[in-house]
Amino acid sequence: DAKTTQPPSMDCAEGRAANLPCNHSTISGNEYVYWYRQIHSQGPQYIIHGLKNNETNEMASLIITEDRKSSTLILPHATLRDTAVYYCIVRSGNQGGKLIFGQGTELSVKP
Amino acid sequence: SQTIHQWPATLVQPVGSPLSLECTVEGTSNPNLYWYRQAAGRGLQLLFYSVGIGQISSEVPQNLSASRPQDRQFILSSKKLLLSDSGFYLCAWNQGGNEQFFGPGTRLTVL
Repeated sequence: DAKTTQPPSMDCAEGRAANLPCNHSTISGNEYVYWYRQIHSQGPQYIIHGLKNNETNEMASLIITEDRKSSTLILPHATLRDTAVYYCIVRSGNQGGKLIFGQGTELSVKP
Repeated sequence: SQTIHQWPATLVQPVGSPLSLECTVEGTSNPNLYWYRQAAGRGLQLLFYSVGIGQISSEVPQNLSASRPQDRQFILSSKKLLLSDSGFYLCAWNQGGNEQFFGPGTRLTVL
């Protein structure tokens, strides 16, 4: 699995967009980018994933650079409930669903 | 709809005692099942995964074992707990799709 690099922590003002970066410079052609988040003392929650096109769902948007070496998760209007650790994970589709978690980014949304 | 259960929610055990954590999934059949552990202040580590009854793959050498006696039941065990076994244990499932669903977790403290 390609390794990912994320900043350990970030702050964001409530109501503003939260932009969480992730570097995955060794990603291979068949690997997807996944984002999960973990609110304190809960299990991780799937947010979004993509291969090379930008993706949007009701939770967030995922912007993947053209060379696929980095991506950004965007929470368009952060709320206090978005305070969590956000994990960027890359994996190929033929690995039985295993997820290899890094340390993630601890996002603090402040009023 | 599918749900995943884990019990107990919290557990305090002495060093050297046995362990049995249970995970069950409802509303699906033949899921892939996973056990993760999260030590305090750290990311999740994949311990075991299973693609079918009696099929267990271990990701890291450790003091723990896993079993899948039924299609939707995944059990994590130890014969003798170590202090280093303390942590937050999470069970997860998916079924060939992209999203992995996590249970509520069991917080284990070994004293």
